[in-house]
Amino acid sequence: DGGITQSPKYLFRKEGQNVTLSCEQNLNHDAMYWYRQDPGQGLRLIYYSQIVNDFQKGDIAEGYSVSREKKESFPLTVTSAQKNPTAFYLCASSPPLGETQYFGPGTRLLVL
Amino acid sequence: GENVEQHPSTLSVQEGDSAVIKCTYSDSASNYFPWYKQELGKGPQLIIDIRSNVGEKKDQRIAVTLNKTAKHFSLHITETQPEDSAVYFCAASYSGGGADGLTFGKGTHLIIQP
Repeated sequence: DGGITQSPKYLFRKEGQNVTLSCEQNLNHDAMYWYRQDPGQGLRLIYYSQIVNDFQKGDIAEGYSVSREKKESFPLTVTSAQKNPTAFYLCASSPPLGETQYFGPGTRLLVL
Repeated sequence: GENVEQHPSTLSVQEGDSAVIKCTYSDSASNYFPWYKQELGKGPQLIIDIRSNVGEKKDQRIAVTLNKTAKHFSLHITETQPEDSAVYFCAASYSGGGADGLTFGKGTHLIIQP
C-alpha cells in the first residue's frame, strides 16, 4: 500500500523542548517537502529536498531543521528557537522531474 | 518569484448548483496548475491538474480552465453535493525548473448548503 505517512498525529511540546516530526514515503519519490498551515491559512514552505543529503530552506525555515539521510525519510525538527510552533504540519513528496505533490495526513503540534 | 491569488476566500452554494473558484498567477513561465481539496484535519488531495498546452480538462463533475494570456485558471464543480464541502487550493509551478515546490493560493472554503 503506497503512500506518505506522518507520525505522530498529535504532538505536544513543552517550553524549550525540541520535537521531531516523522515523514516516510514508499512512492520512490526523489523530492520531499515540509509545509506549515495555520488555522484558516494557506500552506507555507519550510524546507524541501530534491535528493538525498541535500535540502534547501523555504519561506519560513527559521526555528526548524531537517535531514535527508534516506530517500524514504525526511524528518522535521521544531527547535526551541521557534517561538510560535502551534500549527498543522504537512509533508509532501513528488516524483522525479515531476511537479505533482502528494501529501501526508499531517501532524498537529500543540504547545503545553 | 511566483505569486498566486485565489478568490473567493469563502463560497456558499446550494446543493445541486455549480461552484467556480478563480486563481491568477504572476509568472508567465508557470506551466503546471494543480488543484487540491483539503477536508478538515486531513492533508490536501490532488483532484485535478492542467498543463499550459491545454485550455480545459474535465473529470466527471469537476473541470479546470486555463487562460494563459490573462494568466488565470478556474475550478468548476457542477451538481454540487454535501461531500464537496472542503477547502480548495490552487497552485502553480514551472515544470522543469527543479522540484522546489508549488506556489499555493490561500484557499477557498466551499460550503454546500442543503
